[in-house]
Amino acid sequence: QSALTQPASVSGSPGQSITISCTGTSSDVGGYNYVSWYQQHPGKAPKLMIYEVSNRPSGVSNRFSGSKSGNTASLTISGLQAEDEADYYCSSYTSSSTYVVFGGGTKLTVL
Amino acid sequence: QVQLVESGGGLVKPGGSLRLSCAASGFTFSDYYMSWIRQAPGKGLEWVSYISSSSSYTNYADSVKGRFTISRDNAKNSLYLQMNSLRAEDTAVYYCAREPSFAGSDYYFDYWGQGTLVTVSS
Repeated sequence: QSALTQPASVSGSPGQSITISCTGTSSDVGGYNYVSWYQQHPGKAPKLMIYEVSNRPSGVSNRFSGSKSGNTASLTISGLQAEDEADYYCSSYTSSSTYVVFGGGTKLTVL
Repeated sequence: QVQLVESGGGLVKPGGSLRLSCAASGFTFSDYYMSWIRQAPGKGLEWVSYISSSSSYTNYADSVKGRFTISRDNAKNSLYLQMNSLRAEDTAVYYCAREPSFAGSDYYFDYWGQGTLVTVSS
C-alpha cells in the first residue's frame, strides 16, 4: 500500500485533456509544496515532469501542468499525444521518518 | 551531460549481501544529495535511502533500516548501497537519482540512472 493514492488508470483520446490525482495527508502533500511528478515508459527510468507542485523543468512540454488543493495534487496533460502513454507517479516530501513518498502510479492510455 | 550508471545487481540468496554502485559524470558529484530508489517488478517506486553531499546526513526507509547502508566516495564520483540480510521482498530494479540543488534537499530527483536489477531468490 503506497503512501500517496493515485488512480490505477486513466485514458483519453488524442487532443483531449486528462487529469491524474494524487491524494495524501497534511503530513505530506497538504503540508508542503514539495510535490513532484514523474513519467515512466516501459523499461525506462522515470523522468521528472513537474516539481514543487507546478514547476516544469526545462525541456518538458507546456502541455504538462501541476496544481494542488488541500491534500490532493493533480497532474494535467492537455492536447494528449500518443507518446504521453506511460506510467505517471506523484511524489512528496513527508514529515514522517520517511524522506520522500511516492504514489502507486497511474497508467495513462491514449486511445 | 549528466550520467548516472548503476552496477552490481544480480541474483542473490535470501540472507545474502550485495553492493550496488552508481558512477556519476557530467556534474560536480560532491555538490549534490543522492538517493537510491527501487521498483519491484510490475510495482511502483519506493524511496530507499539518501545521503547528503558531504556524507554528513543519511536516512533510510523503514523497510531497509538496519540492513542497508548508503555511502559515497566523492573522489571517485561514486555512490554505493551495501545491502545485507536480503529478503525476497528486496527484489527490484534499483535506481540512483540526483537531487538538483547545490548541497541541499529538494525532495525531488532531476536525473536518474537506468537501474540495476537485484533478484533475491533461493
